[in-house]
Amino acid sequence: GNSVTQMEGPVTLSEEAFLTINCTYTATGYPSLFWYVQYPGEGLQLLLKATKADDKGSNKGFEATYRKETTSFHLEKGSVQVSDSAVYFCALIRGRGQNFVFGPGTRLSVLP
Amino acid sequence: GAVVSQHPSWVICKSGTSVKIECRSLDFQATTMFWYRQFPKQSLMLMATSNEGSKATYEQGVEKDKFLINHASLTLSTLTVTSAHPEDSSFYICSARTGVDTQYFGPGTRLTVL
Repeated sequence: GNSVTQMEGPVTLSEEAFLTINCTYTATGYPSLFWYVQYPGEGLQLLLKATKADDKGSNKGFEATYRKETTSFHLEKGSVQVSDSAVYFCALIRGRGQNFVFGPGTRLSVLP
Repeated sequence: GAVVSQHPSWVICKSGTSVKIECRSLDFQATTMFWYRQFPKQSLMLMATSNEGSKATYEQGVEKDKFLINHASLTLSTLTVTSAHPEDSSFYICSARTGVDTQYFGPGTRLTVL
């Protein structure tokens, strides 16, 4: 079946550090890939997405590239801020009418 | 972007009582909404798919008689937790689908059953 694996957290970084959160997936066909962010006490918000191989999604300084050969969609940001502290979820959807499959989430804490 | 609201944002109830959670799409219509459950420090688990005007589709292992879902209009779906018990305490999140791969999530409802 379809599944998403993320690096275990929590991840604690200092402000302006480089961030990588690994995400790999298992799916048949060509899923669309997503990163969602959940700030404390809030629901999920779409951060970025990529719908086909080699696509790069980017938003708010975050980016992730759809790598079909390694079935990965790692999230990166060159310089994190305290306001980036949140839980990040990698997710996939396989096609029309299908449901999202979420990874377990990675909690990021950025210290000033 | 599209906005999805949930009400209440948190609720505390006694064991054995029923609790209704509302999910509304505020500025768009959604024929399909989803209900998720999120345990502390865990990911979202899909509970059911709510289709306007028809019965909800429940995921394996989710009791349809315990988690009643009604999607009576294109902007409102409700989840009723019947005869709630402490193990039903969780964070419940709804989402509304607007496209093939586009869902907007509500802010969630935290349910605590004493």
